[in-house]
Amino acid sequence: KNEVEQSPQNLTAQEGEFITINCSYSVGISALHWLQQHPGGGIVSLFMLSSGKKKHGRLIATINIQEKHSSLHITASHPRDSAVYICAVQETSGSRLTFGEGTQLTVNP
Amino acid sequence: NAGVTQTPKFQVLKTGQSMTLQCAQDMNHEYMSWYRQDPGMGLRLIHYSVGAGITDQGEVPNGYNVSRSTTEDFPLRLLSAAPSQTSVYFCASSYGRHNEQFFGPGTRLTVL
Repeated sequence: KNEVEQSPQNLTAQEGEFITINCSYSVGISALHWLQQHPGGGIVSLFMLSSGKKKHGRLIATINIQEKHSSLHITASHPRDSAVYICAVQETSGSRLTFGEGTQLTVNP
Repeated sequence: NAGVTQTPKFQVLKTGQSMTLQCAQDMNHEYMSWYRQDPGMGLRLIHYSVGAGITDQGEVPNGYNVSRSTTEDFPLRLLSAAPSQTSVYFCASSYGRHNEQFFGPGTRLTVL
C-alpha cells in the first residue's frame, strides 16, 4: 500500500462544476503539498498546509491531521484547470517528500 | 529571476554512456533535490542537498551521483546509463526542507 493515496485517479467534469480531489496518507507529517502538473510537464506548487484550510482564487485546500486526509476543491471549474494534481507529504521523520500518483483532471467546455 | 532551470530538455543515450543533467536556481535556496517521474508512479526522490557541500541519498539513488559545490548548482550524473533510467527528471529547490518547492521544467531522458 502506498503511503500516499489519491482518489480518483481520473476525473472528467463539465465546465462550471465543483471538483474535489482527495488525498489520504499513512505516515506522520509536518506538511502536505498540492501540486499541479500541466500537459507540458511543468510542476507548480499550489498549496502547502499543515492544518486547517487555505484558499487561492477558485482553489481551496483542506487538511484533517487526525484523519490523515486532505482535499483539494476547485470551484467553477474551467477547461484551463485540466491538469494532473499531485498530493505530496513532508514526513516528520525525515526530509523527503512522498508523492501520490496524481489525479488526471479533464474539464470539458 | 529565472527560478529553477534544467538542461537539457531532451536527451537520448545509449546503454553505458555517461552524462550530466544540469540544474541551477537563482533564489538562494539551500534545499535542492532530484526526482524521477515514471508512468503509474509518483515522483521519487533520487538525491537531495541541504546546502553547499552536503548531499544525501533519497529513495532511488542507485546509478546516480550528485555534488553541490555551490548554492546555485546541483548536477545529477549518470555514470553508466541503463534502459531502466529512462524517465523524466525534475530538479526542485526550496528555502528549507519544509518550505514550498519550486520545480524545474524537467529533462526527458531515453536510454536505448
